This record gives sequence, C-alpha cells and structure tokens, in this order.
Amino acid sequence: KAGVTQTPRYLIKTRGQQVTLSCSPISGHRSVSWYQQTPGQGLQFLFEYFSETQRNKGNFPGRFSGRQFSNSRSEMNVSTLELGDSALYLCASTPGGGGGYEQYFGPGTRLTVT
Amino acid sequence: GQNIDQPTEMTATEGAIVQINCTYQTSGFNGLFWYQQHAGEAPTFLSYNVLDGLEEKGRFSSFLSRSKGYSYLLLKELQMKDSASYLCAVRANAGNNRKLIWGLGTSLAVNP
Repeated sequence: KAGVTQTPRYLIKTRGQQVTLSCSPISGHRSVSWYQQTPGQGLQFLFEYFSETQRNKGNFPGRFSGRQFSNSRSEMNVSTLELGDSALYLCASTPGGGGGYEQYFGPGTRLTVT
Repeated sequence: GQNIDQPTEMTATEGAIVQINCTYQTSGFNGLFWYQQHAGEAPTFLSYNVLDGLEEKGRFSSFLSRSKGYSYLLLKELQMKDSASYLCAVRANAGNNRKLIWGLGTSLAVNP
C-alpha cells in the first residue's frame, strides 16, 4: 500500500497570502488529522476529518480551515498568512474510527511565510 | 487541564540502554502512544499502551502506570540510527470525541 502523501512538500508564501495544502491518506483509511509542528510548540492538533465531516478541532483561529472529500483526500487552507504560521504541517491517517488508533503520518509540507 | 511532560534532551552511548520518561495529566485517559521522529521526517509509530505494564517489541519496550500518570520508553542495545526525537502522546476522551495530546518530544543523541 502506498503511504500518506502530501503536496506540496515545500512552500514559500508572503504575509497576507493564503495557502492550500493537500493530503491523500492510505487507501481505505477514512480518518485524516492535521497537525502543525514547530520547534517550540511541538505537534499541535489542528482538526480531524472522518467521512467528510470535521469531528474534532484544535485551538487554532478561524484562518485555519479544512475539508475532506468523498475519496477521503483532505485539504487544509490557511488564509491571511502570518509569519508565525511558518511550520511543518503534517497529515496523518487512521484506518477506522480515528481519534486514537495508530496514526500514519505523511512527510509533511514545510511552509515558510516571509 | 491536560499536560504531558518529557525531558527535552538526552544523550546515551551506542550499545547502552536508555529510558525516556513521560508523565501526563489528563481526564478521560484512553491510551498512550510513543512515536519516533528523525530530523526532517514524519513521526512513525513505536508502541501503544492502554493497560498497566510493560509492552516489549524487539529492542524497544514501553511501560505504563495509569495510577501514576507515567510511562517510559526503554531502548536497548542503542544504535546510532536511534538518534531521533521520541514523542509521547496520550489519547483522551472528551465527551463523544477522542483527541491525541502530544508531548514536545525528547531529542535523543546516541554517541559512538
């Protein structure tokens, strides 16, 4: 089975712009979670999607949003980018109900905001 | 509140044994995970504990004490490739939802 894929792998944006990141889970996995990882804050949970519905949400501002499609692929969007949004954005998929089963991570998208 | 603590950095010698501790405070505890993350790579699953006791998997073992809110990851016969960050994560029930709460990770350096 192919692993979790994320595109793009690297991205440079300027403040005020918006960005869309994509994640394709492992085939058959229905739950997708998104995380932001920075050296000082570690892994911060953004949101989880299951069967096209947002099931959990972390403590991020409304500039961060996401969605999941019927094929379980997921996208996250960040609008009005700020310098502090520079981070590694990781997507993880789980086989079934999600929320705590072993998570399989993608390679991440490294976002740099200048 | 919900909190996970683990040491920031540790150093060990190739061939030795190292124990990485993780303490947590959370309501609705429903399992603890350990992940390994090499620099520039994604985290990969190492172990899962939901009941008290020791789970052994090759050179890696993980222990859980729910009453003490404590877990450790034991790495034996250390190899250079074990140099990585080790993340402790706790699954917690919150109403009808379950969330994973992550520690900041312990950066382990294995020296020859």
